[in-house]
Amino acid sequence: QKEVEQNSGPLSVPEGAIASLNCTYSDRVSQSFFWYRQYSGKSPELIMSIYSNGDKEDGRFTAQLNKASQYVSLLIRDSQPSDSATYLCAGSGGYQKVTFGTGTKLQVIP
Amino acid sequence: DGGITQSPKYLFRKEGQNVTLSCEQNLNHDAMYWYRQDPGQGLRLIYYSQIVNDFQKGDIAEGYSVSREKKESFPLTVTSAQKNPTAFYLCASSIDSGLYNEQFFGPGTRLTVL
Repeated sequence: QKEVEQNSGPLSVPEGAIASLNCTYSDRVSQSFFWYRQYSGKSPELIMSIYSNGDKEDGRFTAQLNKASQYVSLLIRDSQPSDSATYLCAGSGGYQKVTFGTGTKLQVIP
Repeated sequence: DGGITQSPKYLFRKEGQNVTLSCEQNLNHDAMYWYRQDPGQGLRLIYYSQIVNDFQKGDIAEGYSVSREKKESFPLTVTSAQKNPTAFYLCASSIDSGLYNEQFFGPGTRLTVL
């Protein structure tokens, strides 16, 4: 099992809908989790960090962490065409190293 | 205006040449990282440094070298020993390398071997 796994997509949603991005992880990266947004040709931008079970909301974004099932998700409400990008899930097992998934490409259709 | 800068934005290298990629941060972060990104792949860690004058190999360090002489700077040298260096190189930094180690990225350097 890869340490951090994501469906590569593309995930297509209509404008205004909720986009749901999912990520599973192994025991080695079970402490801290991060979601990054990466536009084509650009560097990743940190959107959310989550460290404990439950939901964390920031504007239109909600990160959800379920340590028992080893998954973390990102919900984007009222999706906009500007949200079209690749979303990287990342996890850390504690100190030093963060492991990144290969990313899910999101397309928001106007 | 705090942030991470990388230069150059684009770099072309002939086979057999060593090239050095610059990374500078003014965020007062202790930890710095170098990643490589290839199409369709996630970010792979090359080297990281938790403190000045100290650095550790990541998952794909072969053919690369780094130095950390100043807190603000973490240059990466791609040597001729790196067999397939064409990639997008990303530098990142975090306050420290502890549990809550949110990493922030520079704009990247795109390296192409001619």
